[in-house]
Amino acid sequence: AQSVTQLDSHVSVSEGTPVLLRCNYSSSYSPSLFWYVQHPNKGLQLLLKYTSAATLVKGINGFEAEFKKSETSFHLTKPSAHMSDAAEYFCVVSEVTNFGNEKLTFGTGTRLTIIP
Amino acid sequence: DTAVSQTPKYLVTQMGNDKSIKCEQNLGHDTMYWYKQDSKKFLKIMFSYNNKELIINETVPNRFSPKSPDKAHLNLHINSLELGDSAVYFCASSQEVPGVGWNEQFFGPGTRLTVL
Repeated sequence: AQSVTQLDSHVSVSEGTPVLLRCNYSSSYSPSLFWYVQHPNKGLQLLLKYTSAATLVKGINGFEAEFKKSETSFHLTKPSAHMSDAAEYFCVVSEVTNFGNEKLTFGTGTRLTIIP
Repeated sequence: DTAVSQTPKYLVTQMGNDKSIKCEQNLGHDTMYWYKQDSKKFLKIMFSYNNKELIINETVPNRFSPKSPDKAHLNLHINSLELGDSAVYFCASSQEVPGVGWNEQFFGPGTRLTVL
């Protein structure tokens, strides 16, 4: 079974400083990995995805993530935090079921707080 | 123009009651899902339906019964509600694209269920 571990339950950064949200995965084969964001009282939105193409993946709102097989990591970064980035972030791994559809396994989430 | 909608947004009820949550998607997707997010923000898949057929059932108590009248709708009925059922329930949908190794899931805004 595949799994993801988000190493920090809560990260606080000052506005304008870099953001790093850490994620490690466990998979028996090349996984598909995603980052989803959940703003307060809202649904989940896909930030970016890795599906065995380029290892550096660019997403929306200036976020990017790098797939590192040797470290089994998929950390999410952003050069400069904005107040609107305050949200819960989920690292997600997917596996294809016998029926050919996706089954997502979510990490426990990292709450990102931006300090003005 | 909402892609995945859920009703109600909030549901407060007494223990032992039976309640339903409705989900509709207007994206033309073949696959729909129900997820449960607990008080610690942990998200876990409950069910998945493809073209009205159940394809994922993640050891959810049989008090939970999903019903898919057509591929645009996946409703969740819960019998004999318990305190531990209090959570946010998210509906999602996706469409398999031939040749693509993953299918983005689009999430609804969630239904916050509180059992008293």
